[in-house]
Amino acid sequence: QKEVEQNSGPLSVPEGAIASLNCTYSDRGSQSFFWYRQYSGKSPELIMSIYSNGDKEDGRFTAQLNKASQYVSLLIRDSQPSDSATYLCADRRQGGSNYKLTFGKGTLLTVNP
Amino acid sequence: DGGITQSPKYLFRKEGQNVTLSCEQNLNHDAMYWYRQDPGQGLRLIYYSQIVNDFQKGDIAEGYSVSREKKESFPLTVTSAQKNPTAFYLCASSLAGALGNEQFFGPGTRLTVL
Repeated sequence: QKEVEQNSGPLSVPEGAIASLNCTYSDRGSQSFFWYRQYSGKSPELIMSIYSNGDKEDGRFTAQLNKASQYVSLLIRDSQPSDSATYLCADRRQGGSNYKLTFGKGTLLTVNP
Repeated sequence: DGGITQSPKYLFRKEGQNVTLSCEQNLNHDAMYWYRQDPGQGLRLIYYSQIVNDFQKGDIAEGYSVSREKKESFPLTVTSAQKNPTAFYLCASSLAGALGNEQFFGPGTRLTVL
């Protein structure tokens, strides 16, 4: 079964530091990749999507994709306590005429004041 | 306000009962999805629908049923055949087909079996 793997953490960083979250995927047919943030007890919120090799920046967030290595990462610069959450990585793959997301189990990030 | 609503927020069920979880969206999305999340686990796909009157089983469809009679609505029934139904249930929607890259989630329903 094709998987999306994440380090479960917890990952702990001090306020103001860079947090680096990593994800690997096994399906070479995956076309699109997503990072969701999920606060405890809440539903996931889409924060970044990336479709091409390289970097994509949005504010304090940078997503990096390397399809040859089947690797996706999310960098959070100037980390804030409000960034403390579980971060879910997902890839999108095609099955026939349908598309669906496959999620990793998430990495818990704690930003310490 | 555009968005996805799920009701109820919390639901308690006795063993042997069927329950139906509501999901409504006004984003004009064709595709809708149901996921289940257990503590410390990622999201697992139960059912999805790309178009009205059509739906497909996801990875863990056993013990669940859905309908898609309207574009805006995709209710999920948790039947008594589901062995371990206590979980956080999340509904999502997106554009369909190759355009439907980004899925957006509702607030979720937390189901507890007593």
